[in-house]
Parts: sequence; structure tokens; C-alpha cells
Amino acid sequence: GDSVTQMEGPVTLSEEAFLTINCTYTATGYPSLFWYVQYPGEGLQLLLKATKADDKGSNKGFEATYRKETTSFHLEKGSVQVSDSAVYFCALPSGGYQKVTFGTGTKLQVIP
Amino acid sequence: DAGVTQSPTHLIKTRGQQVTLRCSPKSGHDTVSWYQQALGQGPQFIFQYYEEEERQRGNFPDRFSGHQFPNYSSELNVNALLLGDSALYLCASSITQGGVSTEAFFGQGTRLTVV
Repeated sequence: GDSVTQMEGPVTLSEEAFLTINCTYTATGYPSLFWYVQYPGEGLQLLLKATKADDKGSNKGFEATYRKETTSFHLEKGSVQVSDSAVYFCALPSGGYQKVTFGTGTKLQVIP
Repeated sequence: DAGVTQSPTHLIKTRGQQVTLRCSPKSGHDTVSWYQQALGQGPQFIFQYYEEEERQRGNFPDRFSGHQFPNYSSELNVNALLLGDSALYLCASSITQGGVSTEAFFGQGTRLTVV
């Protein structure tokens, strides 16, 4: 079945550091890929998405490129801020978005 | 425009009891999905409701059941609660068009603690 593997956290960075959170997936066909973010005490928010191979999703300074050849969708940001501290989930929908499979999440802590 | 709203926000129940969680979808959305998020884990798909019927189900026992009302709101019921049912329960809503659902919007969740 479909699965998502994320790098384990927590990840602690200083403000303005470069961020990479690795994500690889296993799926039938070529699904869309998502990154969700969960701020402390809140639900999930869609951060960015890519719907086909070589697409780059971007939002709030975050980027991720859908790499079919490596089945990866790594999340990057050039300069993190304290406000980016949250848990980040890589995810893929299946069955016409009927079910979303999530990774285990990576907690990011940014220190001033 | 109100997003997905869930109630209650927090709940404490005793092992063996039953619980009902509620969800109102985002305006214009007709499809509701439920997820269980254990501490430190990613959300796990429980089931999805569309046109008042369960359309797809994840790997959860029959103790987990649901309902969707004509106004598209939904309930999640869990019977015979176990300590392991303690989790954040997330509701997500979307629109189904041509049999395919759009991307989901999530609520803030209900934190269930079973003691």
C-alpha cells in the first residue's frame, strides 16, 4: 500500500538557517504530494502541494519539488524564522483524495 | 467564512465508556473524513462520509462508527473506549466532484483522553 517516510526529528535550527526535511514515498502511479504543517495546539494546514512529476510547490518561503526518479518530495526553506517552529507532515492522497496517508511528522524548533 | 469546526475541543472519558465527537465542514463542502492522531505520530485515516454514507474505511475496528447528516455535518462515535484510544481526533472536509474529492481542510481537532 501507499506509504510515506520522513526524516525523524526533532530538528533544531538557529534563526536564518537553511532547512531541509526529507520525504520519500511509495505509491501506485503518480499521486499528488502534500506538505502539511501543524502549529502547537492547532490542526493541520496545507503548506504546499505538487500534482505531477517535476512540479515545484511553494508557499511562505517553503519549497518542495516532486522527484519521480527518486520518489522524493523534500521540503526546503532558505532562512527559517522562530515562527516556523511546528511539526511538518509529508502526505499523499490516494483513491481520488479519499484517503490521505501521512508520514510520522518532523518537529522543527527554531531558536533565536 | 468559518472553516472546519469540531466539538468539543477536549474530552476526558473512562475506559469502557462511549464518546461522540462532532464536526461541521467548511461552507460548501460535502465530504467529511476523520483521522486519529496519536501523540508523536501522523494522522491515521479512520473513514470518510459522502452523501450520508461511509465511502471508505481505514484499518480501525467496528467500535469506531460514524454518521453524516443532511447538512453534511458528521459525528464520530467510539464505543467501549480503551486507553489506546487516547488521541487527537481530526475532522477534514472537502468537495466531491465527479467521484473525486478535492484537497482536505482540517479542523483543530478534539483531544480525547481515556483514563
